[in-house]
Amino acid sequence: QVQLVESGGGVVQPGRSLRLSCAASGFTFSTYGMHWVRQAPGKGLEWVAVIWSDGNSKDYADSVKGRFTISRDNSKNTLYLQMNSLRAEDTAVYYCARDLSPGLPLYGMDVWGQGTTVTVSS
Amino acid sequence: EIVLTQSPGTLSLSPGERATLSCRASQSVSSSYLAWYQQKPGQAPRLLIYGASSRATGIPDRFSGSGSGTDFTLTISRLEPEDFAVYYCQQYGSSPPTFGQGTKVKMK
Repeated sequence: QVQLVESGGGVVQPGRSLRLSCAASGFTFSTYGMHWVRQAPGKGLEWVAVIWSDGNSKDYADSVKGRFTISRDNSKNTLYLQMNSLRAEDTAVYYCARDLSPGLPLYGMDVWGQGTTVTVSS
Repeated sequence: EIVLTQSPGTLSLSPGERATLSCRASQSVSSSYLAWYQQKPGQAPRLLIYGASSRATGIPDRFSGSGSGTDFTLTISRLEPEDFAVYYCQQYGSSPPTFGQGTKVKMK
C-alpha cells in the first residue's frame, strides 16, 4: 500500500541544523511532486515546501526560505528536508505528503506520513 | 497569499446529525482548487475532498463538498462516531498553498 514514513526529528538547539527524511513505498515515487507540511503544537497546518518530481524545481514558504532545503533521491524513493538556522518557532510536527497528481504538482496533498517531531530549544 | 477563514470554530453535534462547515477565501480560488482534510488527535491529516467537490478514494458518501470562487462548504450528512475530529480546508490554486484554521466537530 502507499506509505510515507518520516524520520530524523528530535530536540535541537536554536541556530543548529537537522535533516529530516521521508521514505516512500507503494507508488512510483519519481512521478510525483512531494511536500513538507508542519504543525506547531496545538496549531493548524502550515505548508513548508514542495519539490517537483524530477527534483529540478522547488518552492518554499517565506517563513523558511533561505534556511530550509528540500531535496529528493528518486533512486532511493526518499524525500529530505535540510533545516538550518533553526528557531524556536520551527518547533512542530513535520509531515511529508504526496502531491495530488503525478506530473506537475498541484499543491494539494493526498497521502501523508505519520509525522516526525522537531523541538527547537536550548 | 490567500487567507482562508473557517466557521464555526467549534461545532457541537450528536451522532446522526448533519454538520455544515464553511470555508471563506480572501480572494477567488483558482479552478476550485479547494481541498478538505480530517485530522484526529495524534494522527496525520486525511484527504476527504479535492477540487471542491470530488471525494478522495475510500471516503464515505456522507461527506460532500460544494462551492466555488470564495465560498466553500463541507457537509457531513449524518455524523458517525468516528467523524468527530478537526477539519481543515486548503486552497491549492495559487502559491503558497494555505490552510484554514480548522473547525472542531465535537460530540454534544
